[in-house]
Amino acid sequence: GENVEQHPSTLSVQEGDSAVIKCTYSDSASNYFPWYKQELGKGPQLIIDIRSNVGEKKDQRIAVTLNKTAKHFSLHITETQPEDSAVYFCAASTQAGTALIFGKGTTLSVSS
Amino acid sequence: DARVTQTPRDKVTEMGQEVTMRCQPILGHNTVFWYRQTMKQGLELLAYFRNRAPLDDSGMPKDRFSAEMPDATLATLKIQPSEPRDSAVYFCASGLSTYEQYFGPGTRLTVT
Repeated sequence: GENVEQHPSTLSVQEGDSAVIKCTYSDSASNYFPWYKQELGKGPQLIIDIRSNVGEKKDQRIAVTLNKTAKHFSLHITETQPEDSAVYFCAASTQAGTALIFGKGTTLSVSS
Repeated sequence: DARVTQTPRDKVTEMGQEVTMRCQPILGHNTVFWYRQTMKQGLELLAYFRNRAPLDDSGMPKDRFSAEMPDATLATLKIQPSEPRDSAVYFCASGLSTYEQYFGPGTRLTVT
């Protein structure tokens, strides 16, 4: 089955810096890669996703890149702000339409 | 603003008691998921339904957990009997497929 590894587990940056979170997956049939942001006491919120026919997708300060050959994808946050502080999860899903497999999460702390 | 709702938000119970958690998916979503989140294991899929039919419940301890969708607007997760190791946050999510999933606020369960 699919396995998703996420790194780093914690990340501390200064406000205005960029943050990068990386994930690798094991199933080459996976074709959908979402990223979720979870704030304290809340459920995960979908912030961006990418499908296997696209190499990069951007939404304002957030971008996701996908390398299908290497089976890894990354979340890039530019000009970080304190409100970006949260736990971020990556996930992967296969063409068979099976449920998402989540990484273990990255706790991002942005200090001002 | 359509949202997934979950009740109760917090539940404290004694070992051996029955616990029922409820979820109202977003209207029109035909796929419903139950996840459990712990610090140690992260986000684990327990079960999911499409058009009210269970598709996968392999992540659920069958001897004590059960999940149902009595109708399209209600999903339930029941634990009987509950054990301290069941203490976790339980999330319901809904979507139009197994791809984009929208999470509820969660039910924090504490079993003493």
